[in-house]
Amino acid sequence: DAKTTQPNSMESNEEEPVHLPCNHSTISGTDYIHWYRQLPSQGPEYVIHGLTSNVNNRMASLAIAEDRKSSTLILHRATLRDAAVYYCILAFSGNTPLVFGKGTRLSVIA
Amino acid sequence: DAGVIQSPRHEVTEMGQEVTLRCKPISGHDYLFWYRQTMMRGLELLIYFNNNVPIDDSGMPEDRFSAKMPNASFSTLKIQPSEPRDSAVYFCASSPTSGNQPQHFGDGTRLSIL
Repeated sequence: DAKTTQPNSMESNEEEPVHLPCNHSTISGTDYIHWYRQLPSQGPEYVIHGLTSNVNNRMASLAIAEDRKSSTLILHRATLRDAAVYYCILAFSGNTPLVFGKGTRLSVIA
Repeated sequence: DAGVIQSPRHEVTEMGQEVTLRCKPISGHDYLFWYRQTMMRGLELLIYFNNNVPIDDSGMPEDRFSAKMPNASFSTLKIQPSEPRDSAVYFCASSPTSGNQPQHFGDGTRLSIL
């Protein structure tokens, strides 16, 4: 399985933008980049995914490097509710079993 | 829309007892996944089904674990006999076949084996 590397933890002030990085230098041409997050005492929750182009949805934006060896999840205005563990996962599709790493624990300070 | 429903939310039982965890996937979803989360190993896949057929059970720890999907709206994960090291949070997730759609997770079952 292609692996991803994320910082163990990050901290952000409320209402500020947050950029969560992910390195995936061994990504294959068919791998999509998926982001999930896990709030305390809940199951993982889908955030966003993309293949080559940058993607936006109501939750976040995903910026993908031109060589696809890294990506950045962008939360435009962090709220206290965004405090969670964020996982960057490579998978061909949503029907592919997800391989979770340790993720990045995001703390949001009021 | 109802999400993935898991029951029970919490289970505490003694070592050696049989434990059955239940999952109702989202209607219309053809894929169902069972994951386990522990502090030591993080989130890991146990088994997954497509159209009620097990596709990959290589993550099932040992013969004490078994999973079934008798129909499209119900799956069980059974541990018999249970051991303290089985204590974990067990998550069920489902996804549709069509398009590159994400997996939807339930809230999990927190299992404690004494």
